[in-house]
Order: sequence, then C-alpha cells, then structure tokens
Amino acid sequence: DTGVSQDPRHKITKRGQNVTFRCDPISEHNRLYWYRQTLGQGPEFLTYFQNEAQLEKSRLLSDRFSAERPKGSFSTLEIQRTEQGDSAMYLCASSPRDRITYEQYFGPGTRLTVT
Amino acid sequence: ELKVEQNPLFLSMQEGKNYTIYCNYSTTSDRLYWYRQDPGKSLESLFVLLSNGAVKQEGRLMASLDTKARLSTLHITAAVHDLSATYFCAVVDISGTDKLIFGTGTRLQVFP
Repeated sequence: DTGVSQDPRHKITKRGQNVTFRCDPISEHNRLYWYRQTLGQGPEFLTYFQNEAQLEKSRLLSDRFSAERPKGSFSTLEIQRTEQGDSAMYLCASSPRDRITYEQYFGPGTRLTVT
Repeated sequence: ELKVEQNPLFLSMQEGKNYTIYCNYSTTSDRLYWYRQDPGKSLESLFVLLSNGAVKQEGRLMASLDTKARLSTLHITAAVHDLSATYFCAVVDISGTDKLIFGTGTRLQVFP
C-alpha cells in the first residue's frame, strides 16, 4: 500500500471560482471519508462513501459542495463559487471493510486558500 | 449527538516534566483514536483504543481508555522538544457511518 494520496496539495483560488480536489484511497479500502479542518480547529466530517454510494453528508456540506466516487475507487470533492470561508485544509481518509481492526488512514490533505 | 471535549487546549511544559491530556466524550462509542499533527501537516495516527481499560504505550506517550467514564487520557512522560505538536483525540460515531468526531486539540509546546 502506498497510502492515501490527495491532489493538489495546495490550491489558491479567487473568490467565485470553482475548485476540484482528488483523493486516491488505499487500494481495496471500500470506505472513504472527507473532512475539513480550519485553522486552530479539529477536523470536521463532511461526507462518507461506501464503495460508490454516498451514504452520509454533513450539514456543513452546502449545495455548493459536491462529492463523487465513481466506481468506488478515487473520489473528488468540488466546491463551486468559492467563498473566503471555504479556506481550510481538506482531508481525505480511507478505511478497510474489516470493522474489527477499523482505522481511518489520512491523506496529506489539500490546503485551499480563497483570496 | 456525539461531542468530544479535550483539555487543556494549550499546554506549555518544560522538558523532563510529566503531564496528562484529557478527552471526554458524550455518548457511547467503542473506539477512540489519538492523532498528532505538526503545523501544516496531516494527521499521524498514534494510538487506537478499542476496549474498556485499554492502555497503549509508545515511547514517552501512553494512552488509556475508560469507556464507562467516557474518558481517555494521553500521558506524557519526561517531555522532550520533539513532542511539540497538536494532539487530537477522535471518537468513532457508531450511530451510523463510523465517522470520526474530533476534539478541539491540545497544542503542546515543550521548552528547555
């Protein structure tokens, strides 16, 4: 396993632009989570996929946010019409099917700055 | 709704001293994690605690879990500068998708 990867690592965008982030989970991990972390805070849950199905979305995920996981492999998180309040670190985590030894493995994150 | 509280929020301690970080959570869960985060970096897993009374140790850090009290502690023994970081506890929300609910974090600064 090469670990969870995320792309890009950093993104600077102007307010009103759309951005898309990608997450590649550890292969064969069927569970995938997105979290958002603002400065000085702990990460907050955004959304969850089991295989290709999006099974939970936080109320933090406004209608400007959309996430997909086609074919149950990589996932994308898109933010439309970005606002300065969207500036944060976006973290992706994956975990295996086995719930007994369950652990979420985090990627390096994508740091978004909206100017 | 599961809530996780951590204290203290900020800890400044001298090298060689001992201290404990506390993590309380509001509803039943069967798993708790401790993570370390360096500035601008992602989360590094430290401990996974799966059962009541679980105790794990790695170097100068020791974590324990009391599920009845809904309390976990992270004990630091003889602190060194390299331990300076932010530490988060995270509790698994078992009511649905096993998402993690994080505490607010404890920023640890170890000085000579």
